[in-house]
Amino acid sequence: GAGVSQSPSNKVTEKGKDVELRCDPISGHTALYWYRQRLGQGLEFLIYFQGNSAPDKSGLPSDRFSAERTGESVSTLTIQRTQQEDSAVYLCASSLEARYEQYFGPGTRLTVT
Amino acid sequence: GESVGLHLPTLSVQEGDNSIINCAYSNSASDYFIWYKQESGKGPQFIIDIRSNMDKRQGQRVTVLLNKTVKHLSLQIAATQPGDSAVYFCAENRGSNYKLTFGKGTLLTVNP
Repeated sequence: GAGVSQSPSNKVTEKGKDVELRCDPISGHTALYWYRQRLGQGLEFLIYFQGNSAPDKSGLPSDRFSAERTGESVSTLTIQRTQQEDSAVYLCASSLEARYEQYFGPGTRLTVT
Repeated sequence: GESVGLHLPTLSVQEGDNSIINCAYSNSASDYFIWYKQESGKGPQFIIDIRSNMDKRQGQRVTVLLNKTVKHLSLQIAATQPGDSAVYFCAENRGSNYKLTFGKGTLLTVNP
């Protein structure tokens, strides 16, 4: 079946602009996660959704970052007033339930110029 | 501070050899560990996981070993192939039922 998909695959934006990143999880997966991966680094946890609720937003770096999930499906990660340090690959993952292995999408490479 | 780390940032092996990638963890509350493989330009791909009530788990050509006494995790890849070349990450749950904490990764290069 289809895996996790993300769009766009690449995004170049000017400093100060807002960006919206989209994640389509595997159908039926109740848990959804966003991570950030800086060049040559491991993954940083950003936020976790169970259904449409986000019980843990502790990884969001600042109040410029927000995320929502609707229909227990699609999720969007929004970064307002982007800064150069926001440049990274943003990865989305989903899992059947919270404790099961997480399946990752290909990521969105964000470059802030 | 608490962290998941890797002993070797890079590992180069010959095709057909066995590979061992190591990972140290420091949080004794962690009871679930996963190894992921990440190829260039792709998202991480699940390889194998292990829970803390086990010492060893085998998959297809891969084995994960967990030593809770010294808080050490390893991934063994048998008969390494060029397609195994990638960055390998270990991750732990630190007692959480959803949040994974990832190490920095080890780059495995397989020479033909």
